[in-house]
Amino acid sequence: GAVVSQHPSWVICKSGTSVKIECRSLDFQATTMFWYRQFPKQSLMLMATSNEGSKATYEQGVEKDKFLINHASLTLSTLTVTSAHPEDSSFYICSASRGHNSPLHFGNGTRLTVT
Amino acid sequence: TQLLEQSPQFLSIQEGENLTVYCNSSSVFSSLQWYRQEPGEGPVLLVTVVTGGEVKKLKRLTFQFGDARKDSSLHITAAQPGDTGLYLCAGVGSNYKLTFGKGTLLTVNP
Repeated sequence: GAVVSQHPSWVICKSGTSVKIECRSLDFQATTMFWYRQFPKQSLMLMATSNEGSKATYEQGVEKDKFLINHASLTLSTLTVTSAHPEDSSFYICSASRGHNSPLHFGNGTRLTVT
Repeated sequence: TQLLEQSPQFLSIQEGENLTVYCNSSSVFSSLQWYRQEPGEGPVLLVTVVTGGEVKKLKRLTFQFGDARKDSSLHITAAQPGDTGLYLCAGVGSNYKLTFGKGTLLTVNP
């Protein structure tokens, strides 16, 4: 079956540094990828929609200059948390779709801790 | 903005009991999905309901989509400790954009 791989699975960084999280579709081409943020024991909050070859669409309240998304190929989207602060500590999850009316496949998430 | 209200938010029961989780929307979605998520992992799709009034069964789990396609329920019969997890409903919008409910954290005690 289709698999979405996220890397790293966990990362610890210092305040002020930037962290890049990768989301790869391993056996299919993903025209659309989604990035979510999840706090402990809470639901997933959609941050942005990443479209291959075009700019990402950010949800209201999500700073596009802080959360940089690049979807340079049909199998890879990256989320870079710039100038990270402790309040950015969270579980970040991506999902990928082959296209319209195709089911989403989720990655296993990345636990980010900013110290 | 389409919103999904999910209840209860927390549920702790004994093994063998039955439970129902509800998901209500202020608007219509083309379809609705239920996911289960374990700590440190991504959500896993359980079912997609599309047709109003649809009922789907997955072993001890029964999913129902309301006639007006604005609400759904998940019923678990004879819950087991392995059912413990975060259950999420999600409305499917255009371009497969999902709107998640707040989730139900289920704990089944042995």
